[in-house]
Amino acid sequence: SQTIHQWPATLVQPVGSPLSLECTVEGTSNPNLYWYRQAAGRGLQLLFYSVGIGQISSEVPQNLSASRPQDRQFILSSKKLLLSDSGFYLCASTIAGRDYNEQFFGPGTRLTVL
Amino acid sequence: GQNIDQPTEMTATEGAIVQINCTYQTSGFNGLFWYQQHAGEAPTFLSYNVLDGLEEKGRFSSFLSRSKGYSYLLLKELQMKDSASYLCAALDSNYQLIWGAGTKLIIKP
Repeated sequence: SQTIHQWPATLVQPVGSPLSLECTVEGTSNPNLYWYRQAAGRGLQLLFYSVGIGQISSEVPQNLSASRPQDRQFILSSKKLLLSDSGFYLCASTIAGRDYNEQFFGPGTRLTVL
Repeated sequence: GQNIDQPTEMTATEGAIVQINCTYQTSGFNGLFWYQQHAGEAPTFLSYNVLDGLEEKGRFSSFLSRSKGYSYLLLKELQMKDSASYLCAALDSNYQLIWGAGTKLIIKP
C-alpha cells in the first residue's frame, strides 16, 4: 500500500527565513506528485505538481519553488518566507493502478510564519 | 473560469440524514470527487463519480448530474465522528483537480 511521509509536522519560522519541506512516497513508482497549501478554514490551493523527475509545473506565482530530485521525493522551498506563507502544506500523490486521478494525501506540515 | 461552489457550513443532528450540494464549472470534465477532512488532518478520499447517477458506499452516497454540473454527498445515520469538512473537487480536461472551499459539517447530539 502507498504511504506518504512529510516532515516536519509543525514548523514556526520568522519572516524572511528560508524554508524546506520534504515529501517522500512509498509503495508506488512514477507517481504524479502535488504540493497544496490550505489556509485556515479554506479550501486547497494547488502550488506545484510534477509528472516526473525534474519536471515541475507551477500553478501560482509566488516566492515558493519546488524540486523533484528523485522519483518519490518532492521538495518545497523558499528563500525568504512571508507572513502570507503560513498555512497547512499538503503533499499528495496519485495512486498506482487507478485509471482516474484519485489523490492520496500525506499528513501535512503546519507552518506558522511570525 | 473554473469554479466549484458548496455551502460553507451545515448543521445536522446525530442519527439524521444530511445532503451536501456541490455545483461545478470546469474546462472539460473527467469526474467528481468527494473528500472528508477532519480538523487538523489531511483529506481522505470518500467517492468518485464520472457517470450520472448515485453511487452508494455504506452510510455515504454520492450523486452526479453532468448535464446540470451538480453533485451531492448524502450522509445517513449521522454519527458524531462525521463532524468534519467535506471537500468537493472536479477533474478538468487536463486531469487536474479543481477544489471547492469545503463544507464544514457540525453534528449535534
